[in-house]
This record gives sequence, C-alpha cells and structure tokens, in this order.
Amino acid sequence: AQKITQTQPGMFVQEKEAVTLDCTYDTSDQSYGLFWYKQPSSGEMIFLIYQGSYDEQNATEGRYSLNFQKARKSANLVISASQLGDSAMYFCAMREVYSGGGADGLTFGKGTHLIIQP
Amino acid sequence: NAGVTQTPKFRVLKTGQSMTLLCAQDMNHEYMYWYRQDPGMGLRLIHYSVGEGTTAKGEVPDGYNVSRLKKQNFLLGLESAAPSQTSVYFCASSSYPGGSVRSSNTQYFGPGTRLTVL
Repeated sequence: AQKITQTQPGMFVQEKEAVTLDCTYDTSDQSYGLFWYKQPSSGEMIFLIYQGSYDEQNATEGRYSLNFQKARKSANLVISASQLGDSAMYFCAMREVYSGGGADGLTFGKGTHLIIQP
Repeated sequence: NAGVTQTPKFRVLKTGQSMTLLCAQDMNHEYMYWYRQDPGMGLRLIHYSVGEGTTAKGEVPDGYNVSRLKKQNFLLGLESAAPSQTSVYFCASSSYPGGSVRSSNTQYFGPGTRLTVL
C-alpha cells in the first residue's frame, strides 16, 4: 500500500477561489510529520507547511492551511484566494520517526498538478 | 546565503559511463539526502547521511554510491550509468531532528540535476 496517496492528478481552479488538495497517509507510527511542498515549472522544491502528529491545531502559513484529520489519516492542503502564481505541482510528504529507521527521509506522494485560470 | 547547491545542473551520459553529482550546503546541517524524481512520481530517497563520514541506504539505492567526507558536502556517484537512471536528482539537507516531530525539521532542497543516460 502506498504511504502517501494524492488522488487528484490535476486540478483547474479559477483565480481567487479557494483550493483543497487531498492527501491521505498510511503509517503505524505515533510520531510522524506531514509536509506540503510546491514545485513550480522551474523545478525547485519549495516548503509550504508542516503538521506534526501531536499538533492539536491545524497548521497555517499565510494563505496556506493544513486540514489535519488524524483519525481519517488525511492532511489536505487548503490554499485560500488562489493566485496565478500558485500554478504548480504540489507534493504531500511524510516523515516517520520510528519506521523511518532514523533516516528522517521523506516519503512523497505522486503530486497534484494545480492550474489556476484567470 | 546560498542554501543548498548542486553541480552540475544538466548532464547527458552514455550507458556505462560514470559521474559524480556534488551537493553542498552552507547551513551547517547534520543530515543530507539524495532523492530522484521520475515523471509522474514523487521524490524517492536514494541514500542519506546523518553526519560527516556516515552514509546509509534509502528506498532506491541500487546503482548509486555516496560519500560524505565533509559535513557540508554530499556526493552521489554513478559507477556505470544505465538508461533507468535517467531522472532529476535532488539533494536536501536538514538539521538533526532529535526524534521529535514537534518541529518541522524542514528539509531544504537544492535546485536539482537533470541527468539523461542514453
């Protein structure tokens, strides 16, 4: 089974609308962290937001928020008031403290290609 | 502040040739990682290092070797390149996580190296 599942390969959204990008994860660890990265067409990986498994409140960073539903093992990214510059690939990723074997490496989903239309 | 840099940005190899990708970070990070990104896929961990002089295998280590002789540098080697190694390679670094998920311990990524093996 995939550890990170992003079910939306592509999305088209009108500028200024809110966007929700889905992410579900699978882990038996109690300690884990969830990340969202943005990859624009230029190719770099840009960190957006983080949620730790013990955090009781949803993380927020400017226009980005993470809708964390632990029991459902979902960590959806919400972008409020979308802009043309938000067009990019978005990756959900997970760090597992114990199953990761000390590597602290990230497991990535396959990504969602978001296109913001004017 | 350069962050994480990668050399070269692009490279074309013939099957059987060897090469070394160089990653350098100036953030004094303990942990460093090499990932590869294939079309339609998220990033996958190749090798990682938790400190100078240490390396370990990630999810897809076959065909690659690594070395971390200096804290700031992490080298990825391909001894005999194969077409299956055509990919975009990303290096990342992070500070020591201490087994906690209460902080993000964000991984900062380099700009990537696009490698084609003919």
